Amino acid sequence: NAGVTQTPKFRILKIGQSMTLQCAQDMNHNYMYWYRQDPGMGLKLIYYSVGAGITDKGEVPNGYNVSRSTTEDFPLRLELAAPSQTSVYFCATAGGTDTQYFGPGTRLTVL
Amino acid sequence: GENVEQHPSTLSVQEGDSAVIKCTYSDSASNYFPWYKQELGKRPQLIIDIRSNVGEKKDQRIAVTLNKTAKHFSLHITETQPEDSAVYFCAALPSGNQFYFGTGTSLTVIP
Repeated sequence: NAGVTQTPKFRILKIGQSMTLQCAQDMNHNYMYWYRQDPGMGLKLIYYSVGAGITDKGEVPNGYNVSRSTTEDFPLRLELAAPSQTSVYFCATAGGTDTQYFGPGTRLTVL
Repeated sequence: GENVEQHPSTLSVQEGDSAVIKCTYSDSASNYFPWYKQELGKRPQLIIDIRSNVGEKKDQRIAVTLNKTAKHFSLHITETQPEDSAVYFCAALPSGNQFYFGTGTSLTVIP
């Protein structure tokens, strides 16, 4: 089992560009989450999903969008990238409202 | 929403000594408290967790204590080793599906 995978690992964007961060899991977990981690800081929740077709905002949703059409995939869309979105992005899954398993992360730089 | 505070932000200990990291939370509805270890450039990984119906949990050199009345929980690492050097995050889960993370403690174990 691959667990939780994220692509790409690294990306540099120019201001105003758009991109989609991919997250996939083969753990058959219903719960999926997107976090951002700024240098020296903790994890901030961007969006989460409790199942296919259901998404909800976290603490810092502005500038991002998500969709959840399948149990396995939970892509995060950045529209009009800004330098403030430079961060490491982690996707996580959980079988229920407990233990989370994190993906390897995507390091995004917006110049 | 929930507010999780974590102290200290940095901690240096001699190899073999104990390390203690404390977190406080604000929402009395929080009922699940995981601790994550994050090595440099890696994903957060769960090391121990505790639920609100338990006061203490131990796993080899790692233990977590919970004081629901005072709304704080602590991570205890005994007989520290250089490989324990990492950033440690606490988190709390109030009713619902959103985890709230502390800002992290950078632990350095000096050989």
